[in-house]
Amino acid sequence: DIQMTQSPSSLSASVGDRVTITCRASQGISNYLAWFQQKPGKAPKSLIFAASNLQSGVPSKFSGSGSGTDFTLTISSLQPEDFATYYCQQYNSYPLTFGGGTKVEIK
Amino acid sequence: QVQLQESGPGLVKASETLSLTCTVSGGSINDYYWSWFRQPPGKGLEWIGYIYYSGSTNYNPSLKSRVTISVDTSKNQFSLKLSSMTAADTAVYYCARATGRGDYDYWGQGTLVTVSS
Repeated sequence: DIQMTQSPSSLSASVGDRVTITCRASQGISNYLAWFQQKPGKAPKSLIFAASNLQSGVPSKFSGSGSGTDFTLTISSLQPEDFATYYCQQYNSYPLTFGGGTKVEIK
Repeated sequence: QVQLQESGPGLVKASETLSLTCTVSGGSINDYYWSWFRQPPGKGLEWIGYIYYSGSTNYNPSLKSRVTISVDTSKNQFSLKLSSMTAADTAVYYCARATGRGDYDYWGQGTLVTVSS
């Protein structure tokens, strides 16, 4: 199985801050990497597919980059609605696997 | 707008089999891959398995011996059966649709399944 490691596991940030979350795969996954946002009691919401492509309707403050084993999700200017847990997921091979999540909290 | 809705019992006894159904509305189940995921309370996400509308399946090896996923295209539904349930299977179970690229765009709201002893 491909292990996905996210860092940090949690962070505190203020409204307007630029936030970067890192995801590392245990082996190369090309660009088969998705990012999800999850709020308490809600289903995951897809933000980015193929490492850097925004899903339809997702605001441009979210961006993704990377290829191979190292990936990042950046939120350019954190807003109140962005406080949530973020997960990366690889879909290069089965079983599909997720990172452990990064909880973004209000400072 | 495609919508997915999970249905099934919220409480299952240990050793019994969980049965959940995902109903797809606003679009056809044909031509897509459909998966089940789960998330134990306070923990991360786990992929359980997928089914293609034609009926082909692929399961997570960690659950393969206990999982069966089936599809009913006439009802626009697919289903999950997970046998020999234990407390470790207590989780929110989600169904989701894979795009042609392989990523997942539409998800159900999730249903909490608790295993009682």
